[in-house]
Amino acid sequence: DIQMTQSPSSLSASPGDRVTITCRSSQTITTYLSWFQHKPGKAPRLLIYAASSLQSGVPSRFSGSGYGTDFTLTISSLQPEDFATYFCQESYTTQFTFGPGTKVDI
Amino acid sequence: QLQLQESGPGLVRPSETLSLTCIVSGGSVSMGSYRWSWIRQPPGEGLEWIGCVYNSGRTNYSPSLKSRVAISLDMSRNQFSLRLNSLTAADTAVYYCARNLGQYQYMDVWGKGTTVTVSS
Repeated sequence: DIQMTQSPSSLSASPGDRVTITCRSSQTITTYLSWFQHKPGKAPRLLIYAASSLQSGVPSRFSGSGYGTDFTLTISSLQPEDFATYFCQESYTTQFTFGPGTKVDI
Repeated sequence: QLQLQESGPGLVRPSETLSLTCIVSGGSVSMGSYRWSWIRQPPGEGLEWIGCVYNSGRTNYSPSLKSRVAISLDMSRNQFSLRLNSLTAADTAVYYCARNLGQYQYMDVWGKGTTVTVSS
């Protein structure tokens, strides 16, 4: 089974900061990687798909990169509404495995 | 605009079967290269993919849940459903439905989720 890991598990940041979150898969997934933002009581929101494609309607301060087993999500200038938990997910296999999440708080 | 809405009981007894429905509006479950997924999040834990159904009716399930789960598509009602049997407290979670889209099968539309508690 494929395993997805994320680092850090949590981080504290201030508005305006540049934030980078890393996701790693236990086997190659080429670019079959999505990033989601999740806030309590709400549906997860797709930010990035295919490792680096920005979902329609998502602000350009969000960007994704990577290939194979190592991926990053970058928020170029953190906004107050960006404090949330971020998950990566692979769709290379038919198991759609999620990473454990990275909580971004103030 | 496509919208998904989960419905079902909020409380289920141990050993019983959970039945949830995802009502799809603003689009058809029968069109396009979509899959329709169920995902859950136990309290304090991460997201877990449960399984999905293609618009052909074919299904894929998580190996850890495969023996207890069934997902089906109802094109006449434009919805899809989840059945999970032999429930235990470990099945307590927020359950989400979502659409998988395109070559990369990314989940672009999600329901708001429904909380299911397994307790006697």
